[in-house]
Amino acid sequence: DTEVTQTPKHLVMGMTNKKSLKCEQHMGHRAMYWYKQKAKKPPELMFVYSYEKLSINESVPSRFSPECPNSSLLNLHLHALQPEDSALYLCASSQPDRNYGYTFGSGTRLTVV
Amino acid sequence: GNSVTQMEGPVTLSEEAFLTINCTYTATGYPSLFWYVQYPGEGLQLLLKATKADDKGSNKGFEATYRKETTSFHLEKGSVQVSDSAVYFCALSSNAGKSTFGDGTTLTVKP
Repeated sequence: DTEVTQTPKHLVMGMTNKKSLKCEQHMGHRAMYWYKQKAKKPPELMFVYSYEKLSINESVPSRFSPECPNSSLLNLHLHALQPEDSALYLCASSQPDRNYGYTFGSGTRLTVV
Repeated sequence: GNSVTQMEGPVTLSEEAFLTINCTYTATGYPSLFWYVQYPGEGLQLLLKATKADDKGSNKGFEATYRKETTSFHLEKGSVQVSDSAVYFCALSSNAGKSTFGDGTTLTVKP
């Protein structure tokens, strides 16, 4: 299995809703990442988990809350989002080694209304 | 800090033309270098990588050579196809857990 699976593929939520994005990999990777990508822009790093512990938080607003229940799963909990949070949310996994390169999921297209 | 600069796009080529997408970087230490490709509606895919100076990464007819003296990692392909139309991102990693991406270059190949 060489894939990163993200669900759902599309999500529309209101500003008062609570929702979660899910990410799963079975490649034995020990680092997992959340990125946010706006149209025609590069991905922006949000969070990094290394060996299931949060190692990097790029000053992301608290309305985004990551969770890593085990080495294969990564969640992103969303609450009270703003319309400007609408974007493609990408999960990636890797080994915690700068030579390795990332495997990305297909992303969740989030629209906040 | 680290940075990656890619040639500005969009780039439009005819099928079977030669492709070059320029990428230069600034980094402390000895980074690893990557090219990722993103097809419409999808996530990024690792296309190729090089982890030390003078290494050549290659995949699917694409090549890039890690040039430390010019701090460059230009992407090349000898004969592009319509199916190569996508956005290409150059990236570097100098610390485990954090990569720096260029702004991306959109390639359109016309039949």
